[in-house]
Amino acid sequence: EIVMTQSPATLSVSPGERATLSCRASQSVSSNLAWYQQKPGQAPRLLIYGASTRATGIPARFSGSGSGTEFILTISSLQSEDFAVYYCQQYNNWPRTFGQGTKVEIK
Amino acid sequence: EVQLLESGGDLVQPGGSLRLSCAASGFTSSNSAMSWVRQAPGKGLEWVSAISGSAGSTYYADSVKGRFTTSRDNSKNTLFLQMNSLRAEDTAVYYCAKDHWASGAFDIWGQGTMVTVSS
Repeated sequence: EIVMTQSPATLSVSPGERATLSCRASQSVSSNLAWYQQKPGQAPRLLIYGASTRATGIPARFSGSGSGTEFILTISSLQSEDFAVYYCQQYNNWPRTFGQGTKVEIK
Repeated sequence: EVQLLESGGDLVQPGGSLRLSCAASGFTSSNSAMSWVRQAPGKGLEWVSAISGSAGSTYYADSVKGRFTTSRDNSKNTLFLQMNSLRAEDTAVYYCAKDHWASGAFDIWGQGTMVTVSS
């Protein structure tokens, strides 16, 4: 099983600032990596797939990069609606696995 | 509008069984692989199971293998999760999710259904 490790666990950021979230895979997942946003009481929402492709309707302030084992999600200028928990997920191998999540909170 | 709607969540005793359903609308579900993902209270996301569009292939997390069975009825655009020998650690919100057409990411999620395993 591929273990996905996200860092940091919690990120405190002021509105308008940049947020950088990391995700590391225990072995290569090529570019088969997705990012999701989840707000309290809601289902996750797909942000990025293929490591760097924004899903339909996702604002350009969200960007993804990386391949192999190291991945980054960048939120260029945090808006109030972006404070949430973010998960990475690999879909290169079975079983599919998620990272433990990074909570982005207001500083 | 593309939608997934789960149902069937309930309170069940340890060792009991439950069947979840996920009704798809707004798309032809037979064209898409589907998964079940769960989230224990206050915890992160855990992938549980997947099934191919044709239902020819199924996949399971080790934590549920041999106890859970995923199936689908494409004529009714519905996905199922049969859960047997339930344990306290199976307590979670269960989401169904649809594979993105160009990747294995999950682009459509249901609202979730709560399963509580407790005596």
